[in-house]
Amino acid sequence: EAEVAQSPRYKITEKSQAVAFWCDPISGHATLYWYRQILGQGPELLVQFQDESVVDDSQLPKDRFSAERLKGVDSTLKIQPAELGDSAMYLCASSFSPSYEQYFGPGTRLTVT
Amino acid sequence: TQLLEQSPQFLSIQEGENLTVYCNSSSVFSSLQWYRQEPGEGPVLLVTVVTGGEVKKLKRLTFQFGDARKDSSLHITAAQPGDTGLYLCAVYSGNTGKLIFGQGTTLQVKP
Repeated sequence: EAEVAQSPRYKITEKSQAVAFWCDPISGHATLYWYRQILGQGPELLVQFQDESVVDDSQLPKDRFSAERLKGVDSTLKIQPAELGDSAMYLCASSFSPSYEQYFGPGTRLTVT
Repeated sequence: TQLLEQSPQFLSIQEGENLTVYCNSSSVFSSLQWYRQEPGEGPVLLVTVVTGGEVKKLKRLTFQFGDARKDSSLHITAAQPGDTGLYLCAVYSGNTGKLIFGQGTTLQVKP
């Protein structure tokens, strides 16, 4: 069964360092989402791509976060510099198109010390 | 202010007990989804409800969409330890596919 792949699964970094997360969506899925989930809360959308274009990045802290999906397939989310408040689970999801079922990856657990 | 309010936030019960969790809002939705998320994993879609008053069953799980399409409930019969996890309700915002999640209900079922 096709799955959304994410790496790394866990990342510990010191504040002010740079960190990057990678996501490989299900093959053929044009829509890709990055969510942030604080422990015990629901996910919150950071950025949404349709193919290689950003559809929604209204909740992305653009002073320190960036996201790209250059070839419309896999995607990278970067934080520079990391802050203590960035400690969270970063989830990637993909769907065939907007409003179709979203399939989530296992996430990257980030701890900033 | 949360668009979707889930209650309770945390529930710890013994195996075999029944439980209900709620997802409430003052807004009307065309559809509502329920997800389960196990520790260290991403959410997995359980069900989508679309019609006011609709009831859907998934084995021991019963989902209901309110008549006014503003709220929903999830009832689990004879809970098992495998039901442990975070239960999230979610709705679409706009027509871009953006999902808005509630804060979730953490369920712990003890053997």
